[in-house]
Amino acid sequence: GNSVTQMEGPVTLSEEAFLTINCTYTATGYPSLFWYVQYPGEGLQLLLKATKADDKGSNKGFEATYRKETTSFHLEKGSVQVSDSAVYFCALSDLRNGNKLVFGAGTILRVKS
Amino acid sequence: DVKVTQSSRYLVKRTGEKVFLECVQDMDHENMFWYRQDPGLGLRLIYFSYDVKMKEKGDIPEGYSVSREKKERFSLILESASTNQTSMYLCASSLLGTGVNSPLHFGNGTRLTVT
Repeated sequence: GNSVTQMEGPVTLSEEAFLTINCTYTATGYPSLFWYVQYPGEGLQLLLKATKADDKGSNKGFEATYRKETTSFHLEKGSVQVSDSAVYFCALSDLRNGNKLVFGAGTILRVKS
Repeated sequence: DVKVTQSSRYLVKRTGEKVFLECVQDMDHENMFWYRQDPGLGLRLIYFSYDVKMKEKGDIPEGYSVSREKKERFSLILESASTNQTSMYLCASSLLGTGVNSPLHFGNGTRLTVT
């Protein structure tokens, strides 16, 4: 079945540091890939997405590239801010699985000033 | 902006009680979903609905049921609450499925504690 594996957290960084959160997936078809973010006390919201191999999703300074050869969708940001502290979820949606979203376990990011 | 409202932020119930979690969305979305969120496990789909009076089981439906009598409202029911149902419950809606052109919009969650 489909699955998503994320690096375990928490990840603790200083402000302006470079961020990478690893995400790899297993899917039977050709999934779409997503990053959702959950800020403290809130529900999840879509951060970025990619629909096919080599697509790059980007939003709010975050980027992720759909790598079919390594089945990965790592999230990166060049310079994090305290306001980026949140839980980040990698997810996939596969037409062969009825387009149901499958989420990773989530990675807590803490940014210190 | 789409608004998904969950009726309670925190809820404490006793084992064996019947529990109702309510969710309302204001964007005329066809699809609604209930997830539970647990540390280290991410989000797991309990039930979803693609239309009024229609429901489908997700990955972990045991111990839960749902009701969708009106398009905007999707209720999660714990018939007899147990301690292993202590969790954060998230409701979500989308226009069409969960594909790339139809992202999920989430409520802020209900943290349920069963004692």
